Amino acid sequence: GAGVSQSPRYKVAKRGQDVALRCDPISGHVSLFWYQQALGQGPEFLTYFQNEAQLDKSGLPSDRFFAERPEGSVSTLKIQRTQQEDSAVYLCASSSGGARDNQPQHFGDGTRLSIL
Amino acid sequence: GNSVTQMEGPVTLSEEAFLTINCTYTATGYPSLFWYVQYPGEGLQLLLKATKADDKGSNKGFEATYRKETTSFHLEKGSVQVSDSAVYFCALWAGGTSYGKLTFGQGTILTVHP
Repeated sequence: GAGVSQSPRYKVAKRGQDVALRCDPISGHVSLFWYQQALGQGPEFLTYFQNEAQLDKSGLPSDRFFAERPEGSVSTLKIQRTQQEDSAVYLCASSSGGARDNQPQHFGDGTRLSIL
Repeated sequence: GNSVTQMEGPVTLSEEAFLTINCTYTATGYPSLFWYVQYPGEGLQLLLKATKADDKGSNKGFEATYRKETTSFHLEKGSVQVSDSAVYFCALWAGGTSYGKLTFGQGTILTVHP
């Protein structure tokens, strides 16, 4: 497709389980971002990739959160030993420019994660 | 640090009413400012942007002017439609070493009735 694709759209997991969320950016886009959006709040930055390099992971809330983009295209956000406070919508965005190019970010529809 | 504050919602209007959603920001340097819209069940879409002071961004009848003196970027539309019902987010990009990440406000829910 032409847009950013995220899967699954919905994920329910029990507390303590590991989850993996996938993002397919727009083809050829250099930059990829992950955001976390709690209910009723704006998205908050988690991490940034330029191609396969993770240049900023300052927003990851704990060492249970891990992201990768090994070939510079598809990215996976993994959360280990999930907690109830991890329940949120996880958004992926991509842009054609590099980190300092201020190109528009194109967002996927997000993955809604619910931890029971 | 950088932050964005939006007016409290929700906002409920009748069709053809005038819309203002206030947004103020705190940032070092000269950020770029954005409005994103999220329609029900969909992802965030860029609505408009402004990259320097006194710039006016516009799209689909919406406008916002970058006011550095008041650190504001208020969203306006002269005549809203039912199809404008959505959540609106103000955001900034601080540039520099921020690696392109956006800082968002909390969002304002807009409901337009026929």
